[in-house]
Amino acid sequence: GAVVSQHPSWVICKSGTSVKIECRSLDFQATTMFWYRQFPKQSLMLMATSNEGSKATYEQGVEKDKFLINHASLTLSTLTVTSAHPEDSSFYICSAASGTSGYNEQFFGPGTRLTVL
Amino acid sequence: GQNIDQPTEMTATEGAIVQINCTYQTSGFNGLFWYQQHAGEAPTFLSYNVLDGLEEKGRFSSFLSRSKGYSYLLLKELQMKDSASYLCAVMDSNYQLIWGAGTKLIIKP
Repeated sequence: GAVVSQHPSWVICKSGTSVKIECRSLDFQATTMFWYRQFPKQSLMLMATSNEGSKATYEQGVEKDKFLINHASLTLSTLTVTSAHPEDSSFYICSAASGTSGYNEQFFGPGTRLTVL
Repeated sequence: GQNIDQPTEMTATEGAIVQINCTYQTSGFNGLFWYQQHAGEAPTFLSYNVLDGLEEKGRFSSFLSRSKGYSYLLLKELQMKDSASYLCAVMDSNYQLIWGAGTKLIIKP
């Protein structure tokens, strides 16, 4: 199956700093990438959907100026958490799909655990 | 609004069979997915149903009834490694995945 990687797998940072998380599709071209956040014992919450070369579409309640998403190529998307605060501590997961419509399975990265002190 | 319902937690015995139900109400339907997620890990794909009926894949089977807005995931010959959360997700008319909260499955020896 298709492989999606994330880096870093975990990060600890001080409050007020910015953290960048990378999501890469290793063996396929991902026209669409999704960013999710998951708090303990809760389901995935979609934060935003990004298509290569265009601006990300953010879900209601997600601050686009705080969670900057860049999808500059068909194999790489980045999520930058700006001015992180303890309430941003969560498990961030990206997924990638090779199509923009119709059935397209999402392949998930291994996730990044962010802890903000 | 859009809604996916599945039980919060289930317990079963090693070697037995367990059925995890999922009911949904979404704006449009373009398929239903089941994912497995072990604690601290990302979800992994188990099955996809878009037509009514049963799809069998090894020890796992998934059933769909679109008229009832209902699906179940059937796990046979349970193994300890099957202890995980099982997420039901429906792709709506905009091809967006709507996620359930997940069912935590506990397997006892």
